[in-house]
Amino acid sequence: DAGVIQSPRHEVTEMGQEVTLRCKPISGHNSLFWYRQTMMRGLELLIYFNNNVPIDDSGMPEDRFSAKMPNASFSTLKIQPSEPRDSAVYFCASSPEGADTGHGYTFGSGTRLTVV
Amino acid sequence: GENVGLHLPTLSVQEGDNSIINCAYSNSASDYFIWYKQESGKGPQFIIDIRSNMDKRQGQRVTVLLNKTVKHLSLQIAATQPGDSAVYFCAEPYTGRRALTFGSGTRLQVQP
Repeated sequence: DAGVIQSPRHEVTEMGQEVTLRCKPISGHNSLFWYRQTMMRGLELLIYFNNNVPIDDSGMPEDRFSAKMPNASFSTLKIQPSEPRDSAVYFCASSPEGADTGHGYTFGSGTRLTVV
Repeated sequence: GENVGLHLPTLSVQEGDNSIINCAYSNSASDYFIWYKQESGKGPQFIIDIRSNMDKRQGQRVTVLLNKTVKHLSLQIAATQPGDSAVYFCAEPYTGRRALTFGSGTRLQVQP
């Protein structure tokens, strides 16, 4: 099992550009979570999906942020237009349905986004 | 991923000593708590969990203690090793949501 796979590992972009972060969850995991980690705010939940359906997007900071999960093996987090304050590490995590919350929570290695 | 850095409380211990990392939680209704370890450049990794009907749970070299009266959680690491150097987070479920909220973290530095 390759674990949760995120790409790219690092992204540097100019303010105003569109950024797309990608995540492949562990096969068989039916829940997928996007988190953002910053020095000031720590780990924040942005959105999560269950069976490819967005369940709670109340953590998405602005309309500039959007997330999709077109199938069970792929999710994207898009920022358009990007701003310097979006600079952070973005983590994707997945969990099997029915697993105790947390126990089956596997994180990817993250995407470090820098907006200049 | 880069750990939350300069503002983290730091615990520095000598190799071989025992470490105790503390966490205060706010939601008295939480029924499940988890400790995660995050090494530099990596995502958080599950260490151990505990349900609210327990006071203590042991794993390999780690013990989690739960004090519901004062809403306090601790992680004890026995015979701390250099490989234990990381940031440690406690986490609990968001109220009414099947997702986790994380504490601000504690950096553990193990001196050889």
